[in-house]
Amino acid sequence: SYVLTQPPSVSVAPGQTANITCGGNNIGSKSVHWYQQKAGRAPVLVLFDDADRPSGIPERLSGSHSGNTATLTISRVEAGDEADYYCQVWDRSRGGVFGTGTRVTVL
Amino acid sequence: QVQLVQSGAEVKKPGASVRLSCKASGYTFINYYIHWVRQAPGLGLEWMALINPNGGGTSYVQSFQGRVTVTRDTSTGTVYMELSSLRSEDTAIFYCARSGSGTFSLDSWGQGTLVTVSS
Repeated sequence: SYVLTQPPSVSVAPGQTANITCGGNNIGSKSVHWYQQKAGRAPVLVLFDDADRPSGIPERLSGSHSGNTATLTISRVEAGDEADYYCQVWDRSRGGVFGTGTRVTVL
Repeated sequence: QVQLVQSGAEVKKPGASVRLSCKASGYTFINYYIHWVRQAPGLGLEWMALINPNGGGTSYVQSFQGRVTVTRDTSTGTVYMELSSLRSEDTAIFYCARSGSGTFSLDSWGQGTLVTVSS
C-alpha cells in the first residue's frame, strides 16, 4: 500500500514561514494536492498538481516536490492559516491516498 | 456556483446499512467524478470510493470493498453512497467531493454527513 507521512504538528509565529512536508515513496513522480481543513469545516483545496493554486488561494501558499518529499510552504503566516493540512495523491492501486495530516498552530 | 449538498445526519445500529446522498448543482454533472471520503472523530481523511457519473463506473478502496456501493442518478444530479454491515468504527463524517478526470484533485466538497453507529 502507498503511505504518505506528514509531521503531526507545526508551530509558527505570525509573519514567519511554515513548511509542511509529505513523505511518500517516489512522490516526486506523482501529482500532489494539498487541502486545508479548519475546525468543524469541510476540507478546501489549496494547491493542486504540486504547485497550482485554485482561484482565491493567496500566493503566500506554494508547493514543491522531488524525490520522496513534497512540501507545502506558507509564507508570512497569518492567524487565519491555523488549520489541519493534508497532502493527497492518486495511486493506481490504492485510489486517492491522503497524508496523515499536519496541524498548523500560529503562536 | 458549484454546490454539493449532502443529506442529513444518521444514527444507525451495528450491522445496519446507511445510504447517503450528495446532490450536485452549478455544473455539468456528468463531466466530473464524485468521490467519498471518511473522517472519523479527531482523525484524518480516508478516501473510500469514486464514481464517474458519465457511465457509472466506480472504484473502491480495498478496505471498503464489499461493504460500499456508490451509484448515481443523472436525472437529478445526485450520487448515493451505501455502506453496509456498519460497526462502531464507522462513526464518522462522510464527505462527497468533486474532481476532474486528470489527477483527481478534489476541488469542491459537500458539507459532510455525520453517521453515528451505536447500539
